[in-house]
Amino acid sequence: AQSVTQLDSQVPVFEEAPVELRCNYSSSVSVYLFWYVQYPNQGLQLLLKYLSGSTLVESINGFEAEFNKSQTSFHLRKPSVHISDTAEYFCAVSPKTGANNLFFGTGTRLTVIP
Amino acid sequence: DVKVTQSSRYLVKRTGEKVFLECVQDMDHENMFWYRQDPGLGLRLIYFSYDVKMKEKGDIPEGYSVSREKKERFSLILESASTNQTSMYLCASSTTGEDQPQHFGDGTRLSIL
Repeated sequence: AQSVTQLDSQVPVFEEAPVELRCNYSSSVSVYLFWYVQYPNQGLQLLLKYLSGSTLVESINGFEAEFNKSQTSFHLRKPSVHISDTAEYFCAVSPKTGANNLFFGTGTRLTVIP
Repeated sequence: DVKVTQSSRYLVKRTGEKVFLECVQDMDHENMFWYRQDPGLGLRLIYFSYDVKMKEKGDIPEGYSVSREKKERFSLILESASTNQTSMYLCASSTTGEDQPQHFGDGTRLSIL
């Protein structure tokens, strides 16, 4: 069985400050890891993913996430946030079982304060 | 770019009605999914399909059914709508492989009165 825990439901942060959104998972099998972002009144968009190789992955808009196998974590970070980063962020895992099912966390709402 | 289109952004229906939510994808993806999204609960999988005319139950299938007669279209059906089915519904599609991301539509906000 799989589960994903996002420890913070809401994270307010001032513009240009750094932010970390935490994600921990548990799984009986190896997993692939994803972060999705949902802007207001939109569907989810893929932000970044970890499949293999380097444990640090980056997105085109400055976010990065690091896979830590020993701590079963995949925290999302950005060194300096912008107003446009205000959104809800979802961590998800896909078990390496041959299927394509995603298991989502409950989401973290990031609010960037001017 | 993958496009997943949900037929309605907002929908208001009455208790007991039969409700159809439609989803179409344009990338010839094998897999399609229906989720509902509720505050504090994240996304919960209702049904999914790996091929035409094929369906699998997700975590919360009760009160719902699905139809996939064509590869590009996946319909969610509320057989007899109830107020506890008021929610945001999200459709997604993906190609085969557990490392493949899912692509989402913009969602349908459904209110059952």
